[in-house]
Amino acid sequence: EAGVTQSPTHLIKTRGQQATLRCSPISGHTSVYWYQQALGLGLQFLLWYDEGEERNRGNFPPRFSGRQFPNYSSELNVNALELEDSALYLCASSRSGRLYNEQFFGPGTRLTVL
Amino acid sequence: GENVEQHPSTLSVQEGDSAVIKCTYSDSASNYFPWYKQELGKRPQLIIDIRSNVGEKKDQRIAVTLNKTAKHFSLHITETQPEDSAVYFCAASSPGGSEKLVFGKGTKLTVNP
Repeated sequence: EAGVTQSPTHLIKTRGQQATLRCSPISGHTSVYWYQQALGLGLQFLLWYDEGEERNRGNFPPRFSGRQFPNYSSELNVNALELEDSALYLCASSRSGRLYNEQFFGPGTRLTVL
Repeated sequence: GENVEQHPSTLSVQEGDSAVIKCTYSDSASNYFPWYKQELGKRPQLIIDIRSNVGEKKDQRIAVTLNKTAKHFSLHITETQPEDSAVYFCAASSPGGSEKLVFGKGTKLTVNP
């Protein structure tokens, strides 16, 4: 089966701009999770979508938002970009919103804010 | 909120030796503890997980132990091989059914041939 895909691979923006990152889950998976991986900080939970609805969000400001489409793909939007938003953004999908269903990660989008 | 501490941050072992990575969590309601391996430039992949109703789980050279009383869990890798070199992340489920994982900051394991 095809794995989780993310686009774009790299994204370069300037401070104050907006960024849109996209994720396509594995076929049959309804849950999508977004994580920020900044150097030395591990994976920080951003957002969880399941069946088209936002189920939970991490400790990030409201300028981090997203949505899940009817085909279960998802979009992460980051408004008013700041230098510290530079990181690898990982998306993961699972069969349902039960935590003990394995989360499969995508390759990530490297966001650089100049 | 839930907090996960992971130690050590770096670990270097000789091929064939064992490696142990330890994590502690803050909330006693956490009930699911997965471990992910991330090779350089690649995506994290689940290598083993354990639920709170189990004290130990093994899969070939990998084992995880859980001490609910002390709120810590550990990853044990025996007979290490160079291909085990990677960053390993532990995680704990958040309490109250809010369905999110809180990750540790990772351990960079280097297995020297």
